[in-house]
Amino acid sequence: GAGVSQTPSNKVTEKGKYVELRCDPISGHTALYWYRQSLGQGPEFLIYFQGTGAADDSGLPNDRFFAVRPEGSVSTLKIQRTERGDSAVYLCASRSGSTDTQYFGPGTRLTVL
Amino acid sequence: KQEVTQIPAALSVPEGENLVLNCSFTDSAIYNLQWFRQDPGKGLTSLLLIQSSQREQTSGRLNASLDKSSGRSTLYIAASQPGDSATYLCAVKASGGYNKLIFGAGTRLAVHP
Repeated sequence: GAGVSQTPSNKVTEKGKYVELRCDPISGHTALYWYRQSLGQGPEFLIYFQGTGAADDSGLPNDRFFAVRPEGSVSTLKIQRTERGDSAVYLCASRSGSTDTQYFGPGTRLTVL
Repeated sequence: KQEVTQIPAALSVPEGENLVLNCSFTDSAIYNLQWFRQDPGKGLTSLLLIQSSQREQTSGRLNASLDKSSGRSTLYIAASQPGDSATYLCAVKASGGYNKLIFGAGTRLAVHP
């Protein structure tokens, strides 16, 4: 079946604006993760959903970042009052309940001017 | 706090060489360790997953070993090919019910004909 998809693939915004990044996980995967990857670095964990609830949001850098997964499938990462330091690739991953392997999407490249 | 380090940061080799990529982690209380491949502008693809109770895993020309007590893992690539050119990332999942992956910064591999 289809893999993890993320939209948009690229997003350019101005400092101070609000952005939403979308993740469509693999059908049936109950676990969903958001990571952020800066240039030359490995991905850094942001938030983990099990079903509809955020089971671990310890990686969110501050209260400008928020994520939802209202029906237990699609998730949206929301960033308010964007700053230039938010520029990065935002990766989404999903996992079924019966395996440890996380399947990653292609990412959304966010550029804040 | 768990930290993951990968050495070398970059590697350029001629086709046909056997390679060893290194990964070290500071806290031996891990649940599993994964090696991923990332192509430019793409998401991550899981290559091998080693559970904490295992010593190694093999897939085709790839072999990953794990020495949990010393906090080390190696990824061995046999008979390298230009198509192996990518960034290789290792990630650990902590034991104790934590679901997030902690990544190293990766090794950028270039295999030239």
